[in-house]
Amino acid sequence: DGGITQSPKYLFRKEGQNVTLSCEQNLNHDAMYWYRQDPGQGLRLIYYSQIVNDFQKGDIAEGYSVSREKKESFPLTVTSAQKNPTAFYLCASSARQATNYGYTFGSGTRLTVV
Amino acid sequence: GQSLEQPSEVTAVEGAIVQINCTYQTSGFYGLSWYQQHDGGAPTFLSYNALDGLEETGRFSSFLSRSDSYGYLLLQELQMKDSASYFCAVRHSGSARQLTFGSGTQLTVLP
Repeated sequence: DGGITQSPKYLFRKEGQNVTLSCEQNLNHDAMYWYRQDPGQGLRLIYYSQIVNDFQKGDIAEGYSVSREKKESFPLTVTSAQKNPTAFYLCASSARQATNYGYTFGSGTRLTVV
Repeated sequence: GQSLEQPSEVTAVEGAIVQINCTYQTSGFYGLSWYQQHDGGAPTFLSYNALDGLEETGRFSSFLSRSDSYGYLLLQELQMKDSASYFCAVRHSGSARQLTFGSGTQLTVLP
């Protein structure tokens, strides 16, 4: 079955550490996105990528970095510059030809700073 | 920029009908989407409206009025499993497929 796989499901980070969240899709979707969700709040866009080797900053990109070397993969690195990284991180993808512009989301990674 | 407003909480009983409203302000509006998210889970796509009017998909319907910058999600014959958060999201001219999400409405369905 096609879908988006995020790993790990839970991640603990020490202060000053960089961590990388994995996102892989086998839907053949062109566009991929990273969102952050804080408790009781909506989703805020961190980065997005429309095609391989190209990505754009979203609303809250500071302290994060991404790469898009393969169509299937869009990893997110949470750097030590991100002062409040504890949150639920969601990866999504969408197809260029989809007329409803629907996103498919992964199951998320819950990151906690310890 | 973009902003969306939706109620933070709605409560209804099983079998009832509930409407979740969403008002938005955005430049270059293209369409309004709705997503459902159960606690700790992945949001799932429910509907997309680009034109004015009502779109029906089973028990769920979504409405858009572009002139009023307003939309709603209508859930009929509520079931316990409909208890979840519901997000409206606007597709706007910032990017062809970028979505900006509202803060979500927590729907609680009571027996």
